[in-house]
Amino acid sequence: DAGVIQSPRHEVTEMGQEVTLRCKPISGHNSLFWYRQTMMRGLELLIYFNNNVPIDDSGMPEDRFSAKMPNASFSTLKIQPSEPRDSAVYFCASSLHSSGNTIYFGEGSWLTVV
Amino acid sequence: SQQGEEDPQALSIQEGENATMNCSYKTSINNLQWYRQNSGRGLVHLILIRSNEREKHSGRLRVTLDTSKKSSSLLITASRAADTASYFCATSPSTGTASKLTFGTGTRLQVTL
Repeated sequence: DAGVIQSPRHEVTEMGQEVTLRCKPISGHNSLFWYRQTMMRGLELLIYFNNNVPIDDSGMPEDRFSAKMPNASFSTLKIQPSEPRDSAVYFCASSLHSSGNTIYFGEGSWLTVV
Repeated sequence: SQQGEEDPQALSIQEGENATMNCSYKTSINNLQWYRQNSGRGLVHLILIRSNEREKHSGRLRVTLDTSKKSSSLLITASRAADTASYFCATSPSTGTASKLTFGTGTRLQVTL
């Protein structure tokens, strides 16, 4: 079975540009998470969807960040405008709510903003 | 903010030795999970222990949970070079959204030949 699929794997962009990260969760999973990982702050939960509805976005850093989940098989995380401090690895993860909360991570999108 | 704090931050051992990592957390939990992350990759789930369990085994992994001390430990026995990775604990809260896992700071394990 395919795991969580993220794209792009790597992106280098200039400050001020819009960045869109994409995620396809595991088929049948009803929860989706976006995490950010940096050396300084570790793994931070940005936003969590359940059945395509945003449940908790308290981790979204600021209004420059937005996330959508238009259907059960696709989600995006957008940063507009991007800043150098947004450089990080962004992970998408999914889970089946009844599975005991085990979550499955994608391979991450490595973002560098210069 | 980080719920879990792993200790030590880094650990270097020789192949065949056992590796023990500890995790402390602050609030009441529904369960605690351990994940592994190889360099440049995503996290992979290893084992889950529920709040009413004290010990759990999976292959060469042994996890203990002490809810009175709000701590857990992960033991990897007979370590292999392939175990080299970062290990994270993650807690699921007993109140609020159980799916909202909070990850610790991680332990970097290096297993040398």
